[in-house]
Amino acid sequence: NAGVTQTPKFQVLKTGQSMTLQCAQDMNHEYMSWYRQDPGMGLRLIHYSVGAGITDQGEVPNGYNVSRSTTEDFPLRLLSAAPSQTSVYFCASSTQGDNTEAFFGQGTRLTVV
Amino acid sequence: KQEVTQIPAALSVPEGENLVLNCSFTDSAIYNLQWFRQDPGKGLTSLLLIQSSQREQTSGRLNASLDKSSGRSTLYIAASQPGDSATYLCAAPSSAAGNKLTFGGGTRVLVKP
Repeated sequence: NAGVTQTPKFQVLKTGQSMTLQCAQDMNHEYMSWYRQDPGMGLRLIHYSVGAGITDQGEVPNGYNVSRSTTEDFPLRLLSAAPSQTSVYFCASSTQGDNTEAFFGQGTRLTVV
Repeated sequence: KQEVTQIPAALSVPEGENLVLNCSFTDSAIYNLQWFRQDPGKGLTSLLLIQSSQREQTSGRLNASLDKSSGRSTLYIAASQPGDSATYLCAAPSSAAGNKLTFGGGTRVLVKP
């Protein structure tokens, strides 16, 4: 029972580099989202998707791109990494609806130097 | 805009004592609230999803209550054990319905043997 799988678990980038954080879920959930977790700031929503082909911005979308070509996958792209993007990134999924339980991946710890 | 607060930020109790964790939210037009556990360096594990129609939800030693009128939820952990040491996060939907979550800052719990 894989649930939500994120890769990689750890990553170090240099300023200006780009990379893609991968997220896959095997629960056939329509809704997927990306959060970042920073000390003193809690978890904040970056982008979300309500289904394949549909994405929207969350609270802190700048510097990130997403796409949703399949129900299972929701990658997060950092276009030009900055030290301010040093954080722990979590992917989550859930069914659509009023009373749905969110399931989270194990996170990707990203350091930008 | 939904705001979620958890007080205290940290809590230390001797083994066997009951734990009471508080969560308050500003927008009471919600259908549910979710409690998570996060171990250091790990992802979020869903503990309980409490629906507004239920007012209370139980799982083993865990019991969560939800009072929309006062904008509060409480997580009770009975007979605490050292293995309960973790950070506990509550999350409420950012709008009345929908899957976007707003998180509290968490309560870091230490249960001393």
